[in-house]
Amino acid sequence: DAGITQSPRYKITETGRQVTLMCHQTWSHSYMFWYRQDLGHGLRLIYYSAAADITDKGEVPDGYVVSRSKTENFPLTLESATRSQTSVYFCASFRDRGNTIYFGEGSWLTVV
Amino acid sequence: DQQVKQNSPSLSVQEGRISILNCDYTNSMFDYFLWYKKYPAEGPTFLISISSIKDKNEDGRFTVFLNKSAKHLSLHIVPSQPGDSAVYFCAAGITGGGNKLTFGTGTQLKVEL
Repeated sequence: DAGITQSPRYKITETGRQVTLMCHQTWSHSYMFWYRQDLGHGLRLIYYSAAADITDKGEVPDGYVVSRSKTENFPLTLESATRSQTSVYFCASFRDRGNTIYFGEGSWLTVV
Repeated sequence: DQQVKQNSPSLSVQEGRISILNCDYTNSMFDYFLWYKKYPAEGPTFLISISSIKDKNEDGRFTVFLNKSAKHLSLHIVPSQPGDSAVYFCAAGITGGGNKLTFGTGTQLKVEL
């Protein structure tokens, strides 16, 4: 079944390590997003991409890097993980019909 | 600056009764609004949306009302069922604004037997 898949689903890493969260979608949607979910903050946009090789910052981009060499993939990298980046990360893509964003199942990241 | 606000972190309702979840926004540029539902350990799933040209949209047990003058929207669930227990996020977007959505902080709905 087509959709968005994220990997890893669960990750524990140490402060200062580099971590990459992968996101793959099979719909060929142009727009893709990374959100993080934190208690008291809801879902906040980290980065988004309008197409391959086009990315832009969202509300909370500091400490994160993204790339989009192919339409279907949108990896998120934490270059030097900090404890404040412990969160649940959701990748999403935009469906034109209905102005709707579809989310992946999430990646739980703990930085110790 | 929280542009989309859900002031009730939690709501408890009895099965069969109406659940009303509220959302306020401050940015008058928002022209479409959505509600998402989220179960633990899963991603948010789209529930229902409304365009700013409407004041009501209904889909089965779910109805969203929009009051543009008050910058307020609400989600009504009638009748509430135990399976509706989840976190509900309100979201808003601007047509032509890069398809980004701004989310509220969520309301945990618990439907009790």
